[in-house]
Amino acid sequence: QQQVKQSPQSLIVQKGGISIINCAYENTAFDYFPWYQQFPGKGPALLIAIRPDVSEKKEGRFTISFNKSAKQFSLHIMDSQPGDSATYFCAASKRFNFNKFYFGSGTKLNVKP
Amino acid sequence: DVKVTQSSRYLVKRTGEKVFLECVQDMDHENMFWYRQDPGLGLRLIYFSYDVKMKEKGDIPEGYSVSREKKERFSLILESASTNQTSMYLCASSPPRAGYEQYFGPGTRLTVT
Repeated sequence: QQQVKQSPQSLIVQKGGISIINCAYENTAFDYFPWYQQFPGKGPALLIAIRPDVSEKKEGRFTISFNKSAKQFSLHIMDSQPGDSATYFCAASKRFNFNKFYFGSGTKLNVKP
Repeated sequence: DVKVTQSSRYLVKRTGEKVFLECVQDMDHENMFWYRQDPGLGLRLIYFSYDVKMKEKGDIPEGYSVSREKKERFSLILESASTNQTSMYLCASSPPRAGYEQYFGPGTRLTVT
C-alpha cells in the first residue's frame, strides 16, 4: 500500500505553460516533503522541499503548495521549459525514522517546444 | 559535493546467479539506502542501514540481503537472481537525522535473463 499517492503518471505541457503535479498522504506523522527530479540515465536529485509549518515554498520557477488539513501537496513549475522534461517524484518522511522516505510513483513530464 | 557511486551502470546476469551491487559514498553519512525503481511503481525501499553492521528491512526485502562492513560502503546482494529482479537499482545516502536530503547514485540497470 503506497503511503504517498502521486498524480498524474504522465504530463505533457507546452513551453511556457504551468506544470502541476499532485501528491496526497494519510499519515499525519510525516513532517518533511521533498520533491526529486530525475533525468534519463541519472539518479534522482533534490529539487525543493517543504516542512508542514509553511503553506508554500518557492525556488525560482518551482513552487510547492502544501495543504496540511487536506494532506496534500503539489509541485508547480511556472514557465515550463523543454529542459524541465524529466520524471518527478514526491516523497515524505517522518521524524525520528532514520530519514526513511516514502516515495510517490512518479510523474513523467514532457515539455513540448 | 556529495558523491555516491555505484559499481556498475549496466549488468546482465543469468537466473540463479549470485549478484553483488556495490555503493560507495564520500560524505561520511551514517544512513545508506537501496531502492529499486520500476515504471509506475516509483522508488521502493529494499533495505537501509543506519550504521556499520546495522540494517533494517524496507518494503520489499524478499530475495535480497545487504552488507555494511565499512561506513562508506553498502552492498546489495541477490542470493539467487530471478527474472523478476530485473530493474533499476538506486543507492542513496543521508545524514542520520530525519528531514534531510538523500543523495542518490546514478543507478545500476540490472537485467536477469
